[in-house]
Amino acid sequence: TQLLEQSPQFLSIQEGENLTVYCNSSSVFSSLQWYRQEPGEGPVLLVTVVTGGEVKKLKRLTFQFGDARKDSSLHITAAQTGDTGLYLCAGARTNAGKSTFGDGTTLTVKP
Amino acid sequence: DTGVSQDPRHKITKRGQNVTFRCDPISEHNRLYWYRQTLGQGPEFLTYFQNEAQLEKSRLLSNRFSAERPKGSFSTLEIQRTEQGDSAMYLCASSLRGTSGGDEQFFGPGTRLTVL
Repeated sequence: TQLLEQSPQFLSIQEGENLTVYCNSSSVFSSLQWYRQEPGEGPVLLVTVVTGGEVKKLKRLTFQFGDARKDSSLHITAAQTGDTGLYLCAGARTNAGKSTFGDGTTLTVKP
Repeated sequence: DTGVSQDPRHKITKRGQNVTFRCDPISEHNRLYWYRQTLGQGPEFLTYFQNEAQLEKSRLLSNRFSAERPKGSFSTLEIQRTEQGDSAMYLCASSLRGTSGGDEQFFGPGTRLTVL
């Protein structure tokens, strides 16, 4: 059972376009992380959100945690080729050690 | 470099052989995690330690897999009698478990295992 569903699975856009990717679950999480992973490397942490309705901005990236803490979105403004990669979300529950990962959105930004 | 390191980065082995991977976490982190990732999938949890104690192990994990963290610092993951289905990227992560929510895990570069 996949607890975290990410959509779309693949996204290919032109440089300069905006995009949004989603991370949805029927479960409530105490925190949710977004990572970016490049081929052959480990995931790199981008942000953690912990409060329902929270919005965090990291330069051109905007992260939102749903009010019910079941879903999240990542919006990229004016995408650049360097944004290309696999975007993973991971949810953690209170007092649980492990995080549950989605299968990611593979983003390709073309010049 | 004070990040998570893993060794080796790549391992090619024949079916039936044993392999061992090492992970050195960020030095002040008390939690250490092992994940496995195959192409097109997100990381799949294998096991995690808090200090030297192994607190959880995935029920999906075969008994051919064993992990240790003897002194609460580095960890090893051993796979005995490897099978072709064990071919994957093995990722290690560490975190500092605090009292607030949000267990931010920092990943190493992974060990790519290929079983022939």
